[in-house]
Parts: sequence; structure tokens; C-alpha cells
Amino acid sequence: GESVGLHLPTLSVQEGDNSIINCAYSNSASDYFIWYKQESGKGPQFIIDIRSNMDKRQGQRVTVLLNKTVKHLSLQIAATQPGDSAVYFCAETPQGGKLIFGQGTELSVKP
Amino acid sequence: GAVVSQHPSWVICKSGTSVKIECRSLDFQATTMFWYRQFPKQSLMLMATSNEGSKATYEQGVEKDKFLINHASLTLSTLTVTSAHPEDSSFYICSANGGRREWRINIQYFGAGTRLSVL
Repeated sequence: GESVGLHLPTLSVQEGDNSIINCAYSNSASDYFIWYKQESGKGPQFIIDIRSNMDKRQGQRVTVLLNKTVKHLSLQIAATQPGDSAVYFCAETPQGGKLIFGQGTELSVKP
Repeated sequence: GAVVSQHPSWVICKSGTSVKIECRSLDFQATTMFWYRQFPKQSLMLMATSNEGSKATYEQGVEKDKFLINHASLTLSTLTVTSAHPEDSSFYICSANGGRREWRINIQYFGAGTRLSVL
């Protein structure tokens, strides 16, 4: 379903540690998923994507895992840096080209 | 990566006036663009889907006469907030559909957003 009026959960990590951000999606028909990073006052920035016939994809310092059985998506950030501090959204594509965004998680990196 | 430009980034207006926000895809053509609204500490809420050369498709609960969308070319969509009131104050973000590329079904590229403050 669509996120409505929820306050953002927060994840606080120490610089250099790995971060894991989780997302539960709603539509079992969704076949494409994207993670976006949004810094304060800016638009979302593409991080990494995955299709439903995959269960893992790796990028530079980031890994996305997809578990279709439980409709769960996760974003792993290795060696988290202060510049990674932002709000992270997962988004799913159920149909018609629209993206449905999750509620988001605010990542705070402590130096 | 693909670049989407949104203008203005910030606008203050008086209650009752109309405000136009532009969204341009700079280095690719986008037959479909999307308009979102975002309140502080919340997720993005899709308002409407803008299709080049045809009428926009609005999400349930979004007033189409209040939020006018025009998608006159493959690189430009505009959102006009008509007769703005303080409750319309929000962060408005557009995105452009980068189209299907191999296995990437629907990658959307976002503008930087427009912060609207209605006094």
C-alpha cells in the first residue's frame, strides 16, 4: 500500500560500520524495486535497483537483497560514511509504470 | 545518469495566487513524468502521472482543478497550483520515466524538488 502519514524510523550507526536498512513491500505482483537516497531539501537519488527474478545485486559499497517469499527488501551499506546520512526509501513497481514508495528510514552516521 | 531539472527550487506566494512549477528532462525524452508531494518527515505521495500529449492521470483524492498538469513536449511537464492556500504548502517533486532499458522496467529520475510556502 502507499505510505500515509507515518513518521520516519531512524537508524544510527558509527562511521565505518555496516548499515542495514529494511523495507517491507506490499504488492506481490511488483516485479521491479529501487532504493533511493534523499538528502534534506533535495529530490531522491537513485542508488540501486533489482528485478524480481534476482535475489541479490551489488553495487559500489551497496548491496540489495530481495526476499519475495516474505516481501522484504534490504539495503546494505558497507563502511558507512557521514555522507551516507540521509533518508532512504525503497520503491516498488506493481503496475502501470508507477512507483510506490515505502515509508523511509532516516540514517544517521556518527563520526 | 539522466538529469531532471525542476524550477523553481523555492517559492513563496500569497494566498489565492497561482504558482507554476516546471520539470524538464535534460538529456533524455520522457513520455511519462510524475508529480509527487512530500510533507516533512514523510514519504513521497504520488499526485499524478503526466503523459505527453494527453491528459494527466490523477491519484485518488487529488483535485485535478487545483493541480493543473501540462505535458506539452517530451522534455517538459508543468504543475500549476491554482488559487494556492496555506494548506498547499509542501515540497513538490517531479520525476521522469527513463523508460525500459534491458531488465530495468521503470527507472525514475527525480528533480531537486520545489518548496512551496503559501502565506
